[in-house]
Amino acid sequence: QKEVEQNSGPLSVPEGAIASLNCTYSDRVSQSFFWYRQYSGKSPELIMSIYSNGDKEDGRFTAQLNKASQYVSLLIRDSQPSDSATYLCAVWSDSSASKIIFGSGTRLSIRP
Amino acid sequence: GAVVSQHPSRVICKSGTSVKIECRSLDFQATTMFWYRQFPKQSLMLMATSNEGSKATYEQGVEKDKFLINHASLTLSTLTVTSAHPEDSSFYICSARDPLGELFFGEGSRLTVL
Repeated sequence: QKEVEQNSGPLSVPEGAIASLNCTYSDRVSQSFFWYRQYSGKSPELIMSIYSNGDKEDGRFTAQLNKASQYVSLLIRDSQPSDSATYLCAVWSDSSASKIIFGSGTRLSIRP
Repeated sequence: GAVVSQHPSRVICKSGTSVKIECRSLDFQATTMFWYRQFPKQSLMLMATSNEGSKATYEQGVEKDKFLINHASLTLSTLTVTSAHPEDSSFYICSARDPLGELFFGEGSRLTVL
């Protein structure tokens, strides 16, 4: 089992709709969770960080964390074509020599 | 968010030469930086963890003699690809964790070895 798992996609969502990206992780002691956006040919860009159970909202983005289910998600409201990118889920695990573990990413495509 | 700067953004070199890539944290001190490599359409692959004032910790399968990492100050880490070959052509990205615990990436360096 991978430490951080994401559906590779592609996930196709019509413009204006809600895009839902999901991620599961295996290490129960993980405390910090992040979502990154990576455009093709560019480096990852931090979108959201979340540390406690529940929802965290920032503009059109909402991160959701459920530690009991070891599940973290990212919702993008009013999806725009510029949201088309690969989204990386990342988990900071103190038990893994204090390093961040990345999922393989979900490719999101927003169709006009 | 915090700023991490990487240089050069692109480099083309001949096979057998060495290439140095610099990674700087511009507005915070980073005792630890990370170096990644990414091939086209593939995931980020952690190469090594760079520790200020001590030796880097390399991931399994990464040749420490080929990928030399130096973290001489709290704001600068360098990756030197020694005797580069075409198979080393890739996108190299550094990152650093800010005091709040968030990880920020440099712009990346695209290496092409002819």
